[in-house]
Amino acid sequence: KNEVEQSPQNLTAQEGEFITINCSYSVGISALHWLQQHPGGGIVSLFMLSSGKKKHGRLIATINIQEKHSSLHITASHPRDSAVYICAVTRTGNQFYFGTGTSLTVIP
Amino acid sequence: EAQVTQNPRYLITVTGKKLTVTCSQNMNHEYMSWYRQDPGLGLRQIYYSMNVEVTDKGDVPEGYKVSRKEKRNFPLILESPSPNQTSLYFCASSFQGRQGVYEQFFGPGTRLTVL
Repeated sequence: KNEVEQSPQNLTAQEGEFITINCSYSVGISALHWLQQHPGGGIVSLFMLSSGKKKHGRLIATINIQEKHSSLHITASHPRDSAVYICAVTRTGNQFYFGTGTSLTVIP
Repeated sequence: EAQVTQNPRYLITVTGKKLTVTCSQNMNHEYMSWYRQDPGLGLRQIYYSMNVEVTDKGDVPEGYKVSRKEKRNFPLILESPSPNQTSLYFCASSFQGRQGVYEQFFGPGTRLTVL
């Protein structure tokens, strides 16, 4: 069983919709990261969270340490948001464990 | 421009022929790491380094070697590549803080095929 589980695996949305991607983990962590992988393959780090909530433009990430759960929200989705979103956690020692990703397609 | 560079970007080789994939960053980051990405398995960490001369195994270190002789460089060495090492490889770097590793900067990826 993977230590990091994401849902859904695939998501299709209409432009303008509010999107939520979920991440659950089963181990104690020092931080949780959200990454975006573009269709061309490049990977960008979106957020690092150890508690609470962070916002960057139309992206919002939240984490609930007690429930071992994080969500990534995209408000007013746009076709350029189409990408694979990857959740990752770090444990003590800074080793990373990744979810298998959520493939998002936003249709105009 | 702040960046992580990897070379080569594409490589086709044969079983057993030693190869090195270079990774370099210009941001003075302490933390550097290598990952492989495979369909259905996602990203997995191979090795990481928290500073010069300090390296640790990740989730899938077998068949790989690394070194960190300088802060900016973190080469990945495959002494005797095998077909199961065919994959997309990413290098990344980051600052470290009290909470651990901050947001990582990723290289563009190296697509390796071992025949």
